[in-house]
Amino acid sequence: DAGVIQSPRHEVTEMGQEVTLRCKPISGHDYLFWYRQTMMRGLELLIYFNNNVPIDDSGMPEDRFSAKMPNASFSTLKIQPSEPRDSAVYFCASSDRTSGGNEQFFGPGTRLTVL
Amino acid sequence: QKEVEQNSGPLSVPEGAIASLNCTYSDRVSQSFFWYRQYSGKSPELIMSIYSNGDKEDGRFTAQLNKASQYVSLLIRDSQPSDSATYLCAVFINSGYALNFGKGTSLLVTP
Repeated sequence: DAGVIQSPRHEVTEMGQEVTLRCKPISGHDYLFWYRQTMMRGLELLIYFNNNVPIDDSGMPEDRFSAKMPNASFSTLKIQPSEPRDSAVYFCASSDRTSGGNEQFFGPGTRLTVL
Repeated sequence: QKEVEQNSGPLSVPEGAIASLNCTYSDRVSQSFFWYRQYSGKSPELIMSIYSNGDKEDGRFTAQLNKASQYVSLLIRDSQPSDSATYLCAVFINSGYALNFGKGTSLLVTP
């Protein structure tokens, strides 16, 4: 399997622009998670989905952030408008709870820089 | 959100020594605990999970859990320079399947 795929790997944008991060989970996995990592705050959960349905979005920092999972093989995290404090590495992870697994497999991350 | 606390380090140990990494958590109902390793510029990778009090061994790694003290640790025996990384402790949030991570402990194994 190719593992969790994220794109783009790096994104540099200017304040106020819309940013869309993409994730393809491992095929067959029923859970998908979006995390954000910064030096100050560490790795924080933003939102997670089960079978394409959002379960907990309490970690989404504000209304500028939104996430969708239109099908089992694709999810997006959108920031509109972006701000410099959104600069971080954003990770997508997936897991297969159907078969009893607890391990979350992380994608390579998207490094976002907002100028 | 419940807290997961780790000493940020860096923890420096000589090659061949035992590295001991510690983690405390605040949610008494937590049942599942994980250790992830993250190399610089890379994504986290699961190395150990533990669900019951006591020790769990896997190769050079031993995870220890004490639910009464709300304490979980990771021991790395015969430490190698390739073990140099940040180690993240994680706990399931609110009996669900999302993880609450500590900020990690940086480990440096010196030749």
